[in-house]
Amino acid sequence: EAGVTQSPTHLIKTRGQQATLRCSPISGHTSVYWYQQALGLGLQFLLWYDEGEERNRGNFPPRFSGRQFPNYSSELNVNALELEDSALYLCASSPEIAGCDEQFFGPGTRLTVL
Amino acid sequence: AQSVTQLGSHVSVSEGALVLLRCNYSSSVPPYLFWYVQYPNQGLQLLLKYTTGATLVKGINGFEAEFKKSETSFHLTKPSAHMSDAAEYFCAVSEWSASKIIFGSGTRLSIRP
Repeated sequence: EAGVTQSPTHLIKTRGQQATLRCSPISGHTSVYWYQQALGLGLQFLLWYDEGEERNRGNFPPRFSGRQFPNYSSELNVNALELEDSALYLCASSPEIAGCDEQFFGPGTRLTVL
Repeated sequence: AQSVTQLGSHVSVSEGALVLLRCNYSSSVPPYLFWYVQYPNQGLQLLLKYTTGATLVKGINGFEAEFKKSETSFHLTKPSAHMSDAAEYFCAVSEWSASKIIFGSGTRLSIRP
């Protein structure tokens, strides 16, 4: 069974640009989660999508947005990039909306903002 | 509101020694608890989880954790550390009705030869 995949592996942008990160969940999983892992700040919840709808978002500004496609893959868009957006962005998927379900993580996209 | 506190951002033990990583949680209802491990330049991998039933949970790679409701703790242990255990470990909590998992800030485990 293929795991969660993310692309690109690395992304380098300059301040003010836009970044688009992509995630493909495990086959059969309908929920996709996005997390930001910045140096020294741990794992911060960004967004949760299920069945094409945004179900919840963390404490991030509106320039962080995303969507989920009919095939359950997802995009995370970050507009007007700032230096502090440099981080590892992790995507995770789970089979259903249940708090007891584990989340399966992808390898991440490392975004560097210069 | 749920929260997780991991005591110690960095723990160093000798190879063969006991590993103890501490996690305390706060939850208004019975929680679901998780330990994840992150190896360098990789995503997170589930080590073990507690949902209901037996409070001592065994996971992969010889790790186990015990849910102690009275202490609101879910500490992770391994009797004998191996060099390959060096990684970042995250404790996490969620609830049945929750829409997200709350992660702790992580504990980096180093193993001394």
